[in-house]
Amino acid sequence: EVQLVESGGGLIQPGGSLRLSCAASGFTVSSNYMSWVRQAPGKGLEWVSVLYSGGSTYYADSVKGRFTISRDNSMNTLYLQMNSLRAEDTAVYYCASLQWLARYFDCWGQGTLVTVSS
Amino acid sequence: EIVLTQSPGTLSLSPGERATLACRASQSVSSSYLAWYQQKPGQAPRLLIYGASSRATGIPDRFSGSGSGTDFTLTISRLEPEDFAVYYCQQYGGSPKFTFGPGTKVDIK
Repeated sequence: EVQLVESGGGLIQPGGSLRLSCAASGFTVSSNYMSWVRQAPGKGLEWVSVLYSGGSTYYADSVKGRFTISRDNSMNTLYLQMNSLRAEDTAVYYCASLQWLARYFDCWGQGTLVTVSS
Repeated sequence: EIVLTQSPGTLSLSPGERATLACRASQSVSSSYLAWYQQKPGQAPRLLIYGASSRATGIPDRFSGSGSGTDFTLTISRLEPEDFAVYYCQQYGGSPKFTFGPGTKVDIK
């Protein structure tokens, strides 16, 4: 069974940094396209970033230059390094696997909450 | 940038009724790249439909998707108690860039 488990969320001050992790089981992160999607409290879903199996990375304009997506193949884990955090980055962050052929997110983690506040 | 709008914002129906949810794109999108998700409070989204009309694994056949171009529809033929949730459409707009609609909440009348 495919399972994604996020961790690393918490309360952080504006301007601070945080690294989220997404541990995968039942499939290989490095062989798949992986994404982060976030949801601000009471709001809709917003795509954040994608990491292709070949290593290419892409970001939403709202996080470009501040967030970095990466993976550790030995740990079968996806990461999201978040720097220069702003209040508007407050959200539940989900990792999800992306089926590239039809461009949809088929497996989602349970999410981890990031709160940016002083 | 392609913007998705969903209507209505809230749909109040009774169990057993038919639900019709709309997703409209600001410009034509590929049907191959249009998906629908269900989200219940405190849970992650769940994939329902991909490629505009293909049901994901394990999704009951009361859920169906249709549409092309700029107009897409998710239909729930007979609402079950567990279907009351928020539904999002999602499209791929190249670059790459993925966009979600604002959601339609289906609640109990």
